[in-house]
Amino acid sequence: DGGITQSPKYLFRKEGQNVTLSCEQNLNHDAMYWYRQDPGQGLRLIYYSQIVNDFQKGDIAEGYSVSREKKESFPLTVTSAQKNPTAFYLCASRSRPRGGGRDEQFFGPGTRLTVL
Amino acid sequence: GNSVTQMEGPVTLSEEAFLTINCTYTATGYPSLFWYVQYPGEGLQLLLKATKADDKGSNKGFEATYRKETTSFHLEKGSVQVSDSAVYFCALSAMTTDSWGKLQFGAGTQVVVTP
Repeated sequence: DGGITQSPKYLFRKEGQNVTLSCEQNLNHDAMYWYRQDPGQGLRLIYYSQIVNDFQKGDIAEGYSVSREKKESFPLTVTSAQKNPTAFYLCASRSRPRGGGRDEQFFGPGTRLTVL
Repeated sequence: GNSVTQMEGPVTLSEEAFLTINCTYTATGYPSLFWYVQYPGEGLQLLLKATKADDKGSNKGFEATYRKETTSFHLEKGSVQVSDSAVYFCALSAMTTDSWGKLQFGAGTQVVVTP
């Protein structure tokens, strides 16, 4: 079945440690996205990537880093510089429509990160 | 910039009641509009979408009509079930060549349906 997988489902981190969240898709989508979800605040865009070896900062990129070495993979690293990293992180992907935004994004099941 | 405003929750209603969740937007041009649903502890699933004015999206008994004149995309369902309990997100995607489908989300509305 085609889809997006995120691992792990739950992640615990000590303060001062970097941690990497995995996101893999087998939908052959070009674009991939990382969102952060906090209670009552909806989703906020962290980073997005349109094609391999290219990515752009979203609205809240500080304290995060990404890479896009393969089309199917878009890992997110939460660094120690992120002051409040406890949140639910969602990865999404989208095909590459030309000239507009009609197509929807497909979401993974999410990773819940807790900083101890 | 683009923005989405949806009614605050939680919305609590009884099974078989009528559900409406209001959503209004601000955007330049002609965005595509989406409703996503999130069940507890899960990711988001697309519920329905509309890509141009007067389009009606529908799925699983839910409907929403793209109203350009009122910049709205209200979600409705005629008879809710307990299984409809979830958080619902309204979102828009700007229709520009370089937007790459970035979604702007509303804050989400929690719906609780009681037996």
